[in-house]
Amino acid sequence: DQQVKQNSPSLSVQEGRISILNCDYTNSMFDYFLWYKKYPAEGPTFLISISSIKDKNEDGRFTVFLNKSAKHLSLHIVPSQPGDSAVYFCAARASGNTPLVFGKGTRLSVIA
Amino acid sequence: GAVVSQHPSRVICKSGTSVKIECRSLDFQATTMFWYRQFPKQSLMLMATSNEGSKATYEQGVEKDKFLINHASLTLSTLTVTSAHPEDSSFYICSAMPPGPNTEAFFGQGTRLTVV
Repeated sequence: DQQVKQNSPSLSVQEGRISILNCDYTNSMFDYFLWYKKYPAEGPTFLISISSIKDKNEDGRFTVFLNKSAKHLSLHIVPSQPGDSAVYFCAARASGNTPLVFGKGTRLSVIA
Repeated sequence: GAVVSQHPSRVICKSGTSVKIECRSLDFQATTMFWYRQFPKQSLMLMATSNEGSKATYEQGVEKDKFLINHASLTLSTLTVTSAHPEDSSFYICSAMPPGPNTEAFFGQGTRLTVV
């Protein structure tokens, strides 16, 4: 049973436009949500996170939105740049020293 | 940001041999580290939780006798793939979290294991 779902395996966006990556979760115990960016044959690198007490967190071109009632979060990248092309993983965890549960990832391609 | 170092980044071994992968947290102490595995075009799947000074906790379906985990210090966890077979070929990644609430996990660079 997948607790974190990224239903879009891929997304293609033009440079300068907005990229929106979506993520749904099922476990109501999750209270911390993260987005990671990953290149092939490398470990994931942290992008941005959000605690369940917030509904929005912004860091430069990256904004994460959390809708707890819908158990849905999204990552907005604006403006998108070719260097943003990578696989983006949504992750979630419950409180305490618990492991991250990952979605399957969405491959973002930003076209110049 | 915090750094987690994983070594080796790439290893090729013969079927039947054992391979050890090291994961170090370089600038913080990690009582808990996590080992993940990623198959091609798949997500990162948690294999086990490594606890300093005690036995690892394995996820369902992961053979603890095949994937030996040792967390001997607060900065080092090792994963040993014993009697490796071609189906063990995969990308293995460790992660660790600095202490405190709402901290992100930091990941090692990953190890590409190929068993021939």
